[in-house]
Amino acid sequence: KAGVTQTPRYLIKTRGQQVTLSCSPISGHRSVSWYQQTPGQGLQFLFEYFSETQRNKGNFPGRFSGRQFSNSRSEMNVSTLELGDSALYLCASSLSPVTNYNEQFFGPGTRLTVL
Amino acid sequence: AQSVAQPEDQVNVAEGNPLTVKCTYSVSGNPYLFWYVQYPNRGLQFLLKYITGDNLVKGSYGFEAEFNKSQTSFHLKKPSALVSDSALYFCAVRDVNDYKLSFGAGTTVTVRA
Repeated sequence: KAGVTQTPRYLIKTRGQQVTLSCSPISGHRSVSWYQQTPGQGLQFLFEYFSETQRNKGNFPGRFSGRQFSNSRSEMNVSTLELGDSALYLCASSLSPVTNYNEQFFGPGTRLTVL
Repeated sequence: AQSVAQPEDQVNVAEGNPLTVKCTYSVSGNPYLFWYVQYPNRGLQFLLKYITGDNLVKGSYGFEAEFNKSQTSFHLKKPSALVSDSALYFCAVRDVNDYKLSFGAGTTVTVRA
């Protein structure tokens, strides 16, 4: 079974631009979560989607948004990029949203560099 | 609110020696606890989880973890470390009444030959 895939793997953008990251979950997984990983802040939860609905949101500004499609694929968008948005963005999928003890399976991440 | 603390930024052990990575947590209800490992330039890989029942949980690659409710701890252990265990380890907690997963800051494990 294929794992979680994220595209692109690397991105370089300049301040003020916007960016869209894509995540394809493991087949059959319906919950997708996004995380930001930086050396200073560690792993921070961005948001979680299930059945095209955002179910949870972390403490990030409104510049960070996401969506989920009917096939469970998810996209994350960051508008008006700032230098501090440089990070590894990780997507994770899990099997069932009903029971929240399911482990998450992570993709390799998208490395975003903002110049 | 839920939180996780990993008190050690780094753990260094010799190959063949026991490895312990510490984790303590705080949740308002009962916890679901997880350990993940991250190798350089890779995403996180699931190692093991505690849901309920037996306090000793066995996971992948010979790792195990012990849940201690009174000490609110969930330390990761391996009886005999390998050089290939060198990586960044994350403890994570989720309150049973919440879907948000909170991660610790991570512990870098270095196993020397």
